[in-house]
Amino acid sequence: QVQLQESGPGLVKPSQTLSLTCTVSGGAINSDLYHWSWIRQPAGKGLEWIGRIYMTGSINYNPSLKSRVTMSIDMSKDQFSLRLSSVTAADTAVYFCAREYRGYDWGLDSWGQGTLVTVSA
Amino acid sequence: QSVLTQPPSASGTPGQRVTIFCSGSSSNVGSNAVNWYQHLPGTAPKLLLYSNDQRPSEVPDRFSGSKSGTSASLAISGLQSEDEADFYCAAWDTSLNGFVFGTGTKVTVL
Repeated sequence: QVQLQESGPGLVKPSQTLSLTCTVSGGAINSDLYHWSWIRQPAGKGLEWIGRIYMTGSINYNPSLKSRVTMSIDMSKDQFSLRLSSVTAADTAVYFCAREYRGYDWGLDSWGQGTLVTVSA
Repeated sequence: QSVLTQPPSASGTPGQRVTIFCSGSSSNVGSNAVNWYQHLPGTAPKLLLYSNDQRPSEVPDRFSGSKSGTSASLAISGLQSEDEADFYCAAWDTSLNGFVFGTGTKVTVL
């Protein structure tokens, strides 16, 4: 049973860079069956897809965030990461990491519990 | 920035059937598979349906899906109190080269 766990600072100052890591346990982060994704949800709003990374390093980003987002994967540590630069209050949200599974037509079949990141001075 | 439109709310009494619609375009719903997620605030979202109408093994058959053209739907039959949650459709958007989520529908069991 795969488990995903987000970690990182819960408070980031405006204009700085948000950095989060997702640790994957019980699942093969280096398998070609999965993409590894980030999704966020501002308070009272819907889900927003941020991007995904594949074991080969291939990446897709949400075009609206592309200029500020960097994703990476470290298979030796079973982790993948998100960096979002030049943050503003609009980036305050619960951030989820999740796994897309090829067998479910790239449906997001496993999710972390989410971590709240607040952008405030 | 959601490009998939859902009604903000839907409701029904226990045992009833509730249907939620998801409207997209030719670049997303019209040409790619639709997935549905159930989300209880404060918890991790759960994959409910993939490939328009397929259920992961742990999802009860009360949940069903369909797609026609640029619209998709999720039906919940035999509504139960535990079904009260937010539901989101999602699809790959070929023009944006990324996933898009629906605006979300809050289902209330009366």
